[in-house]
Amino acid sequence: GDSVTQMEGPVTLSEEAFLTINCTYTATGYPSLFWYVQYPGEGLQLLLKATKADDKGSNKGFEATYRKETTSFHLEKGSVQVSDSAVYFCAAGGSQGNLIFGKGTKLSVKP
Amino acid sequence: DVKVTQSSRYLVKRTGEKVFLECVQDMDHENMFWYRQDPGLGLRLIYFSYDVKMKEKGDIPEGYSVSREKKERFSLILESASTNQTSMYLCASSPTSYNEQFFGPGTRLTVL
Repeated sequence: GDSVTQMEGPVTLSEEAFLTINCTYTATGYPSLFWYVQYPGEGLQLLLKATKADDKGSNKGFEATYRKETTSFHLEKGSVQVSDSAVYFCAAGGSQGNLIFGKGTKLSVKP
Repeated sequence: DVKVTQSSRYLVKRTGEKVFLECVQDMDHENMFWYRQDPGLGLRLIYFSYDVKMKEKGDIPEGYSVSREKKERFSLILESASTNQTSMYLCASSPTSYNEQFFGPGTRLTVL
């Protein structure tokens, strides 16, 4: 069945460090791919998305590229800030029209 | 901006009580979803709906039911709450299938 696997956390980085959170998916065809972010005490917010192969989604300094050959959508940011501390979820369009979510990766950024 | 609201941020109920969680979206979206979020398990889909009076089971529907009498409102019902239903419940909506979903702030339910 459809599934999304993302790297286990928690991830702890110093401010201005480079961030990568890995995400791979298993799905029929070429689903749309998403990264969501959840700040403490809040619901999920869409961070970025890509709808077809080789698309790059970007927002707030975060980027992810849809790689169909490796079925991956890794999240990257060149220089993280304390305010980026949150839980990040990778998601893919499922066969029922819903979204399939990874388990989430908690990021803590220290000053 | 799309707004998805949930009736309560925090809720405490007793075992055996009937619990209603309400969700309302204001953007005329076709699809609505209920998830529960638990540490280490991520988001798991309980039920979803593509249209008024339509409902589809997700991955973990046992112990839950839903109601969608109006397009903007999607209710999650726990017929007889149990302690293992203590969780964060998230509602979402989307304009079409396979599209991005917009989430409410969540309801943290504790069943004692």
